[in-house]
Amino acid sequence: DAGVTQSPTHLIKTRGQHVTLRCSPISGHKSVSWYQQVLGQGPQFIFQYYEKEERGRGNFPDRFSARQFPNYSSELNVNALLLGDSALYLCASSSGTANTGELFFGEGSRLTVL
Amino acid sequence: AQTVTQSQPEMSVQEAETVTLSCTYDTSESDYYLFWYKQPPSRQMILVIRQEAYKQQNATENRFSVNFQKAAKSFSLKISDSQLGDAAMYFCAYRSYGNKLVFGAGTILRVKS
Repeated sequence: DAGVTQSPTHLIKTRGQHVTLRCSPISGHKSVSWYQQVLGQGPQFIFQYYEKEERGRGNFPDRFSARQFPNYSSELNVNALLLGDSALYLCASSSGTANTGELFFGEGSRLTVL
Repeated sequence: AQTVTQSQPEMSVQEAETVTLSCTYDTSESDYYLFWYKQPPSRQMILVIRQEAYKQQNATENRFSVNFQKAAKSFSLKISDSQLGDAAMYFCAYRSYGNKLVFGAGTILRVKS
C-alpha cells in the first residue's frame, strides 16, 4: 500500500507569490494534518482536517489555508509568501477519528522563498 | 500551552553502545500520549515508540525503550546496541486530546563506526 504522498517535493517561489501543496493520505485514512518544519527546528502544527472539516488550527496567519476533498486528499495554500515561509511542509494522515490514531507522515514538500 | 524541551542538540554514540536522549515536557493535563519520532535525511518522520501517560510500565520496542517519569514530566529514549542506521534527528512529541502533536526542537544522533 502506498504511504502518504506529497507533491511537489521541492519548489522555489519569490516573495509575494502564492503556493499550493498537495497531500494524498494512506487509503482509508480520513484525517489529514499539516505541519511546518523550519530548518533546525521541530515541526509545528498548522491544520487538521477530518471528514472534510477543519478540526484544528495552529498559530499561523490567515495567509495559510487548507481544505480536504471528498477523496480525503488535501491542499495547503499559502498566500503572499514571505522569506520566513521557507520550510519543509509535512503532511500526516491517520485512520482513527479526529482525536485518535497514529500519524503517518509523508516525505514533505521543501519550499524555498527567495 | 504544552511545551516539549529537548536539551541535547546533538549526541554521539559508538556503534553497539547505548545512548539516552532526554526530553521534558510541560502540561497541566493528566491524560496524554508521548512519542519519539526519527527523521533520517530522507525527511520522512518515522514513529519509534509511544507511551500512554496512564500506563506506568515503560514502553519497549526491540532496541528502543523509554524511561517515563510522569511526576517529573520526563520522557527519555534509550537506544541499545546502536547501529549505523540509527543515525538521524530524533524528536520527542506530545499529544493530548486531538491529533495535534507538539514537537521538541530535536536531537541529532551520530553513530560512529
